[in-house]
Amino acid sequence: DQQVKQNSPSLSVQEGRISILNCDYTNSMFDYFLWYKKYPAEGPTFLISISSIKDKNEDGRFTVFLNKSAKHLSLHIVPSQPGDSAVYFCAASNNNNDMRFGAGTRLTVKP
Amino acid sequence: SQTIHQWPATLVQPVGSPLSLECTVEGTSNPNLYWYRQAAGRGLQLLFYSVGIGQISSEVPQNLSASRPQDRQFILSSKKLLLSDSGFYLCAFSWGYEQFFGPGTRLTVL
Repeated sequence: DQQVKQNSPSLSVQEGRISILNCDYTNSMFDYFLWYKKYPAEGPTFLISISSIKDKNEDGRFTVFLNKSAKHLSLHIVPSQPGDSAVYFCAASNNNNDMRFGAGTRLTVKP
Repeated sequence: SQTIHQWPATLVQPVGSPLSLECTVEGTSNPNLYWYRQAAGRGLQLLFYSVGIGQISSEVPQNLSASRPQDRQFILSSKKLLLSDSGFYLCAFSWGYEQFFGPGTRLTVL
């Protein structure tokens, strides 16, 4: 069962504009959410996270929003840069042993 | 600081051959360790996780097995590879709520 879903397999934006990546989850027991960035032939790297007690977390150009009632989170990148082009994975966790990943969204930022 | 190593980086194996992928972690003790597979268009699928030496939990039935002979060593194995075992294999360890991934192994089964 897919408890974490990223329904957009790909997204293309112009450099300097905002990128919005979306993620939905089904398990209300998840209490921590993360975004990972992955380049081809490399392992994913942690990007930003948010606890279920918050609805927003910002780190530089990256902001994650959490809507618990809708079981939805999103990652905003502004302004988008060509170096942001990668696959972004959404993940949700309720303890150290149980982290579930979405299928990923491939972001392409065009110069 | 913690680091995680995986090898080999790429591997091409014939169907029916055995497999052994190794993962080691440095800079931490008694980590939770994970094996994931990234297949095309399917995201990251958790295969196995381990909370200690000799303790392995399997997420999905499959042609693979895992072992943890030492605290910071995690091995992914198969006795006979199938074509469907092709993919990108990632080892990870957890630190708090976050997981940190190794560089991955690209396995192609022909």
